[in-house]
Amino acid sequence: GAVVSQHPSRVICKSGTSVKIECRSLDFQATTMFWYRQFPKQSLMLMATSNEGSKATYEQGVEKDKFLINHASLTLSTLTVTSAHPEDSSFYICSARDWQTQETQYFGPGTRLLVL
Amino acid sequence: GENVGLHLPTLSVQEGDNSIINCAYSNSASDYFIWYKQESGKGPQFIIDIRSNMDKRQGQRVTVLLNKTVKHLSLQIAATQPGDSAVYFCAENIIGNQFYFGTGTSLTVIP
Repeated sequence: GAVVSQHPSRVICKSGTSVKIECRSLDFQATTMFWYRQFPKQSLMLMATSNEGSKATYEQGVEKDKFLINHASLTLSTLTVTSAHPEDSSFYICSARDWQTQETQYFGPGTRLLVL
Repeated sequence: GENVGLHLPTLSVQEGDNSIINCAYSNSASDYFIWYKQESGKGPQFIIDIRSNMDKRQGQRVTVLLNKTVKHLSLQIAATQPGDSAVYFCAENIIGNQFYFGTGTSLTVIP
């Protein structure tokens, strides 16, 4: 149980384009999902907290207009990187918290984004 | 926030030896902690958790120790195997809120 999927697993795009990443909880409902970014050999940096049916809460320094988050259902959250630039290249990881336990977070496999 | 983006410290151990990975957390109000294992190119994988009302919890080959006085968490891996090579993160949480991750430690097991 407690499986979280992400799609795509890897994406390469041109500078200036937008990229959408999906995060799904497959066997549980998640009222809250989290988006992280991870650069090579560094820790996970929380970008935003996504709550189903409401606006996301962004961490300090994260541009909400650049990283659009939508959490339309209890099993799906999307992160759209708008007008991507090479410095946005990173490993993006989502996690979901089971609404029943409200404790453990389960992570997706991550999405590798490369902006050329 | 309480995220840390420093470069990872490393730990090398011989196969079969025990490993101890340490973590200092920042928020004295945190009441729930998790250790995650992350292999290269993959998302973090849950290993073991502990609540603040405990000071020790054991799993299969792993033990987590919590010292709230000095805000310190450790992960002990018994009889370390090559498959244990990965980056290990501790995460702190006030239950119901978001997790914040420590710097992480890169563990390399030498055959």
